[in-house]
Amino acid sequence: KQEVTQIPAALSVPEGENLVLNCSFTDSAIYNLQWFRQDPGKGLTSLLLIQSSQREQTSGRLNASLDKSSGRSTLYIAASQPGDSATYLCAATTSGTYKYIFGTGTRLKVLA
Amino acid sequence: ETGVTQTPRHLVMGMTNKKSLKCEQHLGHNAMYWYKQSAKKPLELMFVYSLEERVENNSVPSRFSPECPNSSHLFLHLHTLQPEDSALYLCASSQEWGGGRSAKNIQYFGAGTRLSVL
Repeated sequence: KQEVTQIPAALSVPEGENLVLNCSFTDSAIYNLQWFRQDPGKGLTSLLLIQSSQREQTSGRLNASLDKSSGRSTLYIAASQPGDSATYLCAATTSGTYKYIFGTGTRLKVLA
Repeated sequence: ETGVTQTPRHLVMGMTNKKSLKCEQHLGHNAMYWYKQSAKKPLELMFVYSLEERVENNSVPSRFSPECPNSSHLFLHLHTLQPEDSALYLCASSQEWGGGRSAKNIQYFGAGTRLSVL
């Protein structure tokens, strides 16, 4: 059974700092892994999707990597801004089920 | 805007009430989903509809009753709920269900309905 873990649960950094959010999964047989952003009281916004055959994806200041052998994905945020403050969720789609299994998220606060 | 609209945004109901949550997608997708997000717990998939047929029911209590009258609309009918059912209920849609490795599996989420059961 796939389990997804995100550590830390919360993180505060000063503006301008580069940071890494971590996502671990127990079953390496995944179709893809997706990173989402959730603002308070809002739904989820897709940030990046990495398919199982890919190692990384980039969008602007965001870079997501995938290492299936170690069961890890990281989301790298460059030059963080207060507007990046939100909860970041990762979700893995396990081979054969098509379901998203979500982590509990990392709540990020970027201080001005 | 993600193209997925949920109403109402907030709902307070008593345990004996009957209410419905509504989700509408304007993306031309064939699959729609209901998720439950409780405090400090991962999102839980509740139901999946593909081409208006239910394809997944993740052991959800019968007090939650989904309905998908067409590929653009999804409802969640609620009756005799419990206080522990208070949560954020999220709707999502994707181009296909079971798209596997393809981008057709990407899910787009609505803003959710914040439900409080008294």
